Amino acid sequence: KAGVTQTPRYLIKTRGQQVTLSCSPISGHRSVSWYQQTPGQGLQFLFEYFSETQRNKGNFPGRFSGRQFSNSRSEMNVSTLELGDSALYLCASSLDTSTEKLFFGSGTQLSVL
Amino acid sequence: QKEVEQDPGPLSVPEGAIVSLNCTYSNSAFQYFMWYRQYSRKGPELLMYTYSSGNKEDGRFTAQVDKSSKYISLFIRDSQPSDSATYLCAMSANSGGSNYKLTFGKGTLLTVNP
Repeated sequence: KAGVTQTPRYLIKTRGQQVTLSCSPISGHRSVSWYQQTPGQGLQFLFEYFSETQRNKGNFPGRFSGRQFSNSRSEMNVSTLELGDSALYLCASSLDTSTEKLFFGSGTQLSVL
Repeated sequence: QKEVEQDPGPLSVPEGAIVSLNCTYSNSAFQYFMWYRQYSRKGPELLMYTYSSGNKEDGRFTAQVDKSSKYISLFIRDSQPSDSATYLCAMSANSGGSNYKLTFGKGTLLTVNP
């Protein structure tokens, strides 16, 4: 069974640009969560989607947004990039919303110059 | 005070040693406790999952939860060089059917030397 797939693996952008990251969950998984990982703050929850609906959102500015499609694939978008947005963005999938057992992808490493 | 505190290490041990990793937390609503292992340039991988207080064993790994002290531990017996990774504790306050937001510790970097 294929794991969680995130694309691209690496991304370099400049301040002010926007970026879209993609996540394909494990087949059959319907819940997708996004996390930001930095050396200073560790892993921080961004948002969670289930059945194309955002069910929970972390404490991030509105520049961070996401969506989920009918096939459970998800995208997250960051607009007006800032230097502090440089991080590893991790997507995790789970079967549904009744479990805390998350399966993570390898992440997208975003560098903002 | 951060919700979850974890000593970042680094921790370096010889092969075969017993490793003890710990986290403390402040939110008494946390009911679900997990340990993830993260290799360099990879996403976290779920190692152990525990509900409420008690012990859980899986091979060389033992997870302990003491809710009265708000303290969780992961023990690794007979540690191997392949155990070298960052270990992250994670917790959740939600019950079935609700939204899930895991709160993570910052991770402990472990190196097992051959």
